Amino acid sequence: EDQVTQSPEALRLQEGESSSLNCSYTVSGLRGLFWYRQDPGKGPEFLFTLYSAGEEKEKERLKATLTKKESFLHITAPKPEDSATYLCAVPRADTGTASKLTFGTGTRLQVTL
Amino acid sequence: DVKVTQSSRYLVKRTGEKVFLECVQDMDHENMFWYRQDPGLGLRLIYFSYDVKMKEKGDIPEGYSVSREKKERFSLILESASTNQTSMYLCASSLSSGQGSFGPGTRLTVT
Repeated sequence: EDQVTQSPEALRLQEGESSSLNCSYTVSGLRGLFWYRQDPGKGPEFLFTLYSAGEEKEKERLKATLTKKESFLHITAPKPEDSATYLCAVPRADTGTASKLTFGTGTRLQVTL
Repeated sequence: DVKVTQSSRYLVKRTGEKVFLECVQDMDHENMFWYRQDPGLGLRLIYFSYDVKMKEKGDIPEGYSVSREKKERFSLILESASTNQTSMYLCASSLSSGQGSFGPGTRLTVT
């Protein structure tokens, strides 16, 4: 069964204190890994797609990386506006389409002044 | 950017009522989804549609049905609402590559 596990569940950082969020997965034949950001009471917002081990994507203070077993979302010098829940997801192996996703339960990030 | 809209942000219904949640996407995505999101359980797939009038059950379809009469519109129906269906409902659409866009969500309370 496909599994996506995110850690930590919650993370509290001070402004400027860099850290990483982890997403580990067990799925055969990875067809991409997706990162989303979700603000309270809103729908998730797409951040990145990674397709192969060694790939990296960056957006402002965020950088996503991918290995064969896990992905990291590195946050460099975070600001309070980076506070959100970060979700990762992978396409399910039991379907012909890459659009059916299995989501992790997310990491809730809080950045304080 | 694809825009996904949902008919209501907040909804309060009584037990036993029939509830309709509607979702519209403005890009030509073939795939549309309904999820529910509960604390500690994450996003769980209720139903998936890969074409007009085509649907697949997700992980938790019991108590729900869906309708997709037009490519841009995907409706979720709670046949007889129950208190355990109180949740945040999220609609999404995507191309076959997997990258998708979500709507703002409907917070449904069943009393």
